[in-house]
Amino acid sequence: DQQVKQNSPSLSVQEGRISILNCDYTNSMFDYFLWYKKYPAEGPTFLISISSIKDKNEDGRFTVFLNKSAKHLSLHIVPSQPGDSAVYFCAASDGGGSNYKLTFGKGTLLTVNP
Amino acid sequence: KAGVTQTPRYLIKTRGQQVTLSCSPISGHRSVSWYQQTPGQGLQFLFEYFSETQRNKGNFPGRFSGRQFSNSRSEMNVSTLELGDSALYLCASSVGDRNGYTFGSGTRLTVV
Repeated sequence: DQQVKQNSPSLSVQEGRISILNCDYTNSMFDYFLWYKKYPAEGPTFLISISSIKDKNEDGRFTVFLNKSAKHLSLHIVPSQPGDSAVYFCAASDGGGSNYKLTFGKGTLLTVNP
Repeated sequence: KAGVTQTPRYLIKTRGQQVTLSCSPISGHRSVSWYQQTPGQGLQFLFEYFSETQRNKGNFPGRFSGRQFSNSRSEMNVSTLELGDSALYLCASSVGDRNGYTFGSGTRLTVV
């Protein structure tokens, strides 16, 4: 049972436009969400996170939106740059007690075309 | 400061053998987690250690084990290797909370 789903395996956008990556989750106990970016042959790099007490968090070109009622979050990248081309993973944690386990989606390959 | 270091970077083993992977966390980080990445399954949680104690374990068979030393370095062991164990094994460290783990570059294990 996949608790974190990224239904789009790939996304292609033009440089300068907005990239929107989506993520759905099923576990209502998840209360902390993160996005990671991964280049080939490297480990994932932390991008941005959001707690369930918020519905939006911004960091430069990256904004994460959380819709708890729909169990949906999205990552917006504006403007998109060719260097943003990578696999993006959505991850979630329920944080119960000392539960620091992250549950990841399968990732979305973003390609930003010059 | 130095990042998370995983050794070796690449490994080829034969079915039935065992393997040990090593992870040195960022200095000061006491939590070390291990993940398996395969093309079909994404990143799957193996286990997490904090101050030499296993705090969480994922849904992997007992052939997968780990430990953490007093200096926070961690090792992961896989016994009786199967072809399906071929994957990228990632280690991540943190100070112990959920504010973003830092991942190493991984060990690419190929079982033949």
